[in-house]
Formats: sequence, C-alpha cells, structure tokens
Amino acid sequence: DTEVTQTPKHLVMGMTNKKSLKCEQHMGHRAMYWYKQKAKKPPELMFVYSYEKLSINESVPSRFSPECPNSSLLNLHLHALQPEDSALYLCASSTRGAKNIQYFGAGTRLSVL
Amino acid sequence: ILNVEQSPQSLHVQEGDSTNFTCSFPSSNFYALHWYRWETAKSPEALFVMTLNGDEKKKGRISATLNTKEGYSYLYIKGSQPEDSATYLCAFSNYGGSQGNLIFGKGTKLSVKP
Repeated sequence: DTEVTQTPKHLVMGMTNKKSLKCEQHMGHRAMYWYKQKAKKPPELMFVYSYEKLSINESVPSRFSPECPNSSLLNLHLHALQPEDSALYLCASSTRGAKNIQYFGAGTRLSVL
Repeated sequence: ILNVEQSPQSLHVQEGDSTNFTCSFPSSNFYALHWYRWETAKSPEALFVMTLNGDEKKKGRISATLNTKEGYSYLYIKGSQPEDSATYLCAFSNYGGSQGNLIFGKGTKLSVKP
C-alpha cells in the first residue's frame, strides 16, 4: 500500500473557525511533510516531522499548528486563518532523507472566507 | 534563496510526438533531484530520483538525465500519449538545506491531443 490519504478533500472555513486537516500513511515511513501550494506556484514546504518529532518549521505562522500523534498520522490544526491562506495543502511521507521518494496525498483544497 | 526553474511553463503536443522539458537548479552542494508527475485532482507521483552527475533513468517511454556540474536535468517523453497529460514537477535538494527538504519548480504542464 503506497497510499497517503488526506481528509477532507475540500474545506471552506471562516476566519474565526478552528479546523483540522488529516493525513495518514501505512508504509512505515518515519518522515512526514506538510506542503502548501498556491495557484501557479510550486509546492512550498511548511513542516517536516521525523520520528514523530517536528524537525523543520519553515517560518510558518502560528495559526498553523502541526501535530504527529503517531507514526502513521499527521494533522494540521488551523485557527484564525486569513483569506490569503487559501491554497492546496499537500501531505507527503518518505523514508528520511532527500534521496528517497516522497509519496504524496491528493491534497486538501482550503478556502478561507 | 535557492530557485528551481522549469521550462517551458506549458506545452501542447500531438499524440505520437516526442517532447522534452528542462529543470535548472543551483549546481553548488547538489544532493538530489526528483521528478514527479501530477495529474489534475490526483496525488503527485514520483518518476525518478537522481543523485549522481551523468545519471540517466528510464521508466517506459519516459527518461531523464542529470548534469549536476551545470545544474540542469532533462525529462524526455517518447511518443506522447493523451494519458501523459499532466504537470511535471522537478524538485531539488542540496547539502546546505536540511535533509529531506525539497525545493520544487513551478512545473511544466503537458497537454497531449489525440
């Protein structure tokens, strides 16, 4: 099973809402990633978890709060987002190291009103 | 700021045409270069990971080459088919960045007409 599952596929939220994005993989990968992609831009790395510990935070605002409850799950908690945070949020997993393939989910399309 | 450039931005070809795209990246402290294929509404799917100068990889009708000294990689598709229509992303990592930290290009969007 080489699947990374992301839920929900689409999310619309107001600026005062609290919501969470979920990502799950069962490949035994110990590195998991959150990327943000805006239209006509490349995916941009937000966070990296390695062995359930946050190893990279690419200067992401605190209104985005990642969580890795176990080696198969990765969450992204959203609170007080801005309309400019509307984007496609992609989750990926891999064996640790940039020489290893990253397996991506299909993403959550987020709209902030 | 490290930058990955892909060209062309988009490409329209007829079924049966062969085509190629370019990925340019900084040549210093090179670590790895990835190619991904991304169909609309699906997950990006890895095609190749290349690490050595002169690497050539092949998967069916798709192949890629790598020149780390001059900082570029080519992706070739032989005899394009409509199912090859997708955005092709390259991603680069260097020793200066944290391990696993990929920097993506904007992609080349390929449309193959039957």
